[in-house]
Amino acid sequence: ETGVTQSPTHLIKTRGQQVTLRCSSQSGHNTVSWYQQALGQGPQFIFQYYREEENGRGNFPPRFSGLQFPNYSSELNVNALELDDSALYLCASSSEGTGAGGKNIQYFGAGTRLSVL
Amino acid sequence: AQKITQTQPGMFVQEKEAVTLDCTYDTSDPSYGLFWYKQPSSGEMIFLIYQGSYDQQNATEGRYSLNFQKARKSANLVISASQLGDSAMYFCAMRENAGRRALTFGSGTRLQVQP
Repeated sequence: ETGVTQSPTHLIKTRGQQVTLRCSSQSGHNTVSWYQQALGQGPQFIFQYYREEENGRGNFPPRFSGLQFPNYSSELNVNALELDDSALYLCASSSEGTGAGGKNIQYFGAGTRLSVL
Repeated sequence: AQKITQTQPGMFVQEKEAVTLDCTYDTSDPSYGLFWYKQPSSGEMIFLIYQGSYDQQNATEGRYSLNFQKARKSANLVISASQLGDSAMYFCAMRENAGRRALTFGSGTRLQVQP
């Protein structure tokens, strides 16, 4: 059973550029959630995808967008990058809608560290 | 709105000793889950333990146990027999079972285990 993998591990962009981050979910999982973790803080929820549909969104502007593919992998796209977008971006996969109720554990990848100059 | 508070920015513990990391939460949803994650310097968030709001027993997973006091809205993590490899950031998180299925995290506690 493979875990959650994210690519790339590190990325450097300049202000105004666009970036795409990728996530492969754990085998058997149908849901991907994305989080932004600024330095010294806890992760903040960006959005979640369940069976290729957005299933909830945090307090992030529309320039943060995403996709989920039929194999449940996912992309996070950020347009018009700003300096404050510099952070660790974490992807988590889980298996929703399987009757486990609140105990759907989210398993995280190692993250993509984005630096915006 | 749900909220998680971790009041200990940093903690030190001697190897082989037990340590308690504090977490309090606030929610109006009667059904919720509480989670603890460990984040080493590599960045990956590692799931440690889960407690459901209706669970009668405190959760345990190996050296990790959760001291769940529902009336006080606290969910403290207890690590027994600390090891050097336990040095990391520890995050408490909550998920309400109504609405979006997102985790809300606290600000974390940095644990350093000393030999």
